[in-house]
Amino acid sequence: DSGVTQTPKHLITATGQRVTLRCSPRSGDLSVYWYQQSLDQGLQFLIQYYNGEERAKGNILERFSAQQFPDLHSELNLSSLELGDSALYFCASSVGLLQETQYFGPGTRLLVL
Amino acid sequence: QKEVEQDPGPLSVPEGAIVSLNCTYSNSAFQYFMWYRQYSRKGPELLMYTYSSGNKEDGRFTAQVDKSSKYISLFIRDSQPSDSATYLCAMSEDNNDMRFGAGTRLTVKP
Repeated sequence: DSGVTQTPKHLITATGQRVTLRCSPRSGDLSVYWYQQSLDQGLQFLIQYYNGEERAKGNILERFSAQQFPDLHSELNLSSLELGDSALYFCASSVGLLQETQYFGPGTRLLVL
Repeated sequence: QKEVEQDPGPLSVPEGAIVSLNCTYSNSAFQYFMWYRQYSRKGPELLMYTYSSGNKEDGRFTAQVDKSSKYISLFIRDSQPSDSATYLCAMSEDNNDMRFGAGTRLTVKP
């Protein structure tokens, strides 16, 4: 158990809908990272927040957005969902700004029908 | 051409074998290199981290980085059935925006 929690574990929704994925980082960690893992694209970095501020952006679509709240939990919002958005979404956290010290959560499996 | 290339396998070895996992990359600016292990239905966990070129050893695991060849390796000695997992290489320029390989699925048979 990494100490990073993600909810929900599974999510099934329809195309065009909007969903919110939630992540609670390890106690004391200020950075939160979001990743998407799909069979065809592999694991891709989406976005990083550090102490409430956006820190780095990867291959995040405009339909996706994230935020980190004052209590340091983070939410990833996915809107206008498409079939291709079906994937595992991982959250990770680290104490500081360095990705190499991050710990991954168990992931949220999203299925868009 | 993908920025990070990794043979997806699958790779099957007998218990006790030495396993060699490799990645190649095209971006010469990468200087942070990592190996992650991912068990089925779990998140990745960091195994090894190396900055720039050189070797790093941790127990049965050795990571090698050859920046001149843009090639990194992970060696697992005395492999165990519990090592059966998918191994992902990852790298970045500045420790942000990490790029991952496709992952190699390894099975160690008793």
